Amino acid sequence: DAGITQSPRYKITETGRQVTLMCHQTWSHSYMFWYRQDLGHGLRLIYYSAAADITDKGEVPDGYVVSRSKTENFPLTLESATRSQTSVYFCASSRGGNTEAFFGQGTRLTVV
Amino acid sequence: QQQVKQSPQSLIVQKGGISIINCAYENTAFDYFPWYQQFPGKGPALLIAIRPDVSEKKEGRFTISFNKSAKQFSLHIMDSQPGDSATYFCAASNRRAGSYQLTFGKGTKLSVIP
Repeated sequence: DAGITQSPRYKITETGRQVTLMCHQTWSHSYMFWYRQDLGHGLRLIYYSAAADITDKGEVPDGYVVSRSKTENFPLTLESATRSQTSVYFCASSRGGNTEAFFGQGTRLTVV
Repeated sequence: QQQVKQSPQSLIVQKGGISIINCAYENTAFDYFPWYQQFPGKGPALLIAIRPDVSEKKEGRFTISFNKSAKQFSLHIMDSQPGDSATYFCAASNRRAGSYQLTFGKGTKLSVIP
């Protein structure tokens, strides 16, 4: 089915481990985004990408790495997970221009 | 610095009543103001959006009111229904800058009671 999918939906990892969250979209949207959602903070932008091989930092990029070698994929890597990175992570995509952003179902990450 | 301030944090409304959620922004370069609706366990989904060249936009029971001089915008849900119970986020972006990234408010949890 077309759309934007995130995997895994749930992940528990230990402090210090590297973990990668996957995001795949089938619309060939130019723009992709990673947000984290925390109680009391709403949604905060981590990184975004305007096209393949073009990425830029958002509001809270520290401790995260992204790559975009293909238009349809935008993985987010936590290089060395910390408890403060326990959150729900949402990937989104947009055609850009005057179009809406579509969000995935989210990945709930717990760092213990 | 929070660029989009949303209130209230939570809201309880009787079925059939009007739900009102307010947002204020600081960055005068913002030129696109969407509202997103999020149900538990789901990602946010676009509900309605407005640009600063109009003062009001209505889609069914949902209306955005926009006050450019006050740098404020609000969502009105008329005839609120239990199915409207969700978390609502206002957002803003500067599309002229070309980044299309959204800055979100902290969200309002709406509960519509029968």
